[in-house]
Amino acid sequence: QLQLQESGPGLVKPSETLSLTCAVSGDSITTTNDFWGWVRQPPGKGLQWIGRIHYGGTTSYNPSLNSRVTISVDTSKNQFSLNLTSVTAADTAVYFCARCSNSGGWLDPWGQGILVTVSS
Amino acid sequence: QSVLTQPPSVSGAPGQRVTISCTGTSSNIGARFDVHWYQQLPGIAPKLLIYANTNRPSGVPDRFSGSKSGTSASLAITGLQAEDEADYYCQSYDNRLSGYVFGTGTKVTVL
Repeated sequence: QLQLQESGPGLVKPSETLSLTCAVSGDSITTTNDFWGWVRQPPGKGLQWIGRIHYGGTTSYNPSLNSRVTISVDTSKNQFSLNLTSVTAADTAVYFCARCSNSGGWLDPWGQGILVTVSS
Repeated sequence: QSVLTQPPSVSGAPGQRVTISCTGTSSNIGARFDVHWYQQLPGIAPKLLIYANTNRPSGVPDRFSGSKSGTSASLAITGLQAEDEADYYCQSYDNRLSGYVFGTGTKVTVL
């Protein structure tokens, strides 16, 4: 059974870089042609897509975050990562990782999510 | 930013039928991209409920059904149960933004 687990600091200072990792277990990240993505949810608000990556390295990002986001993949560790630079309080959110189906674009499964708070 | 519009809330008594609309534009749902639906229970990660407009993943009760027409899609819950009280989100792809887009979310309340 495919499982995803986010990890990283729960507190980041303003202007610094938020870095999270999503560990994939139950299957290799290179087995399928699917993408691997990040979604966030500010407290009490809706879902916002951040971006996605294919194990071959192809990426796409939300235009509203494009200049600050980098998603990378490490196939040897079966994981992918998110870097978000120059964070502000508006980046405080629960961050989820998920597999993004290449055949239809749905996200399944999802990680449990990790709350990241931006505060000094 | 949410590109797909959903009603903020819907409610119904146990056993009733409720529907949630998801309205998009010509660059997403209207461009024939598939619509997917997620259920999010309080404090829990979203769970895929309907994929590719009408399909239910294994384990999802057949009380949940999806449809799509033009620039809109709908999620119907028949035989509403207390455990269905949650937030529901639609999702599609937008070719103008070159990425996924989510709906604004709908809170379902069981009276």
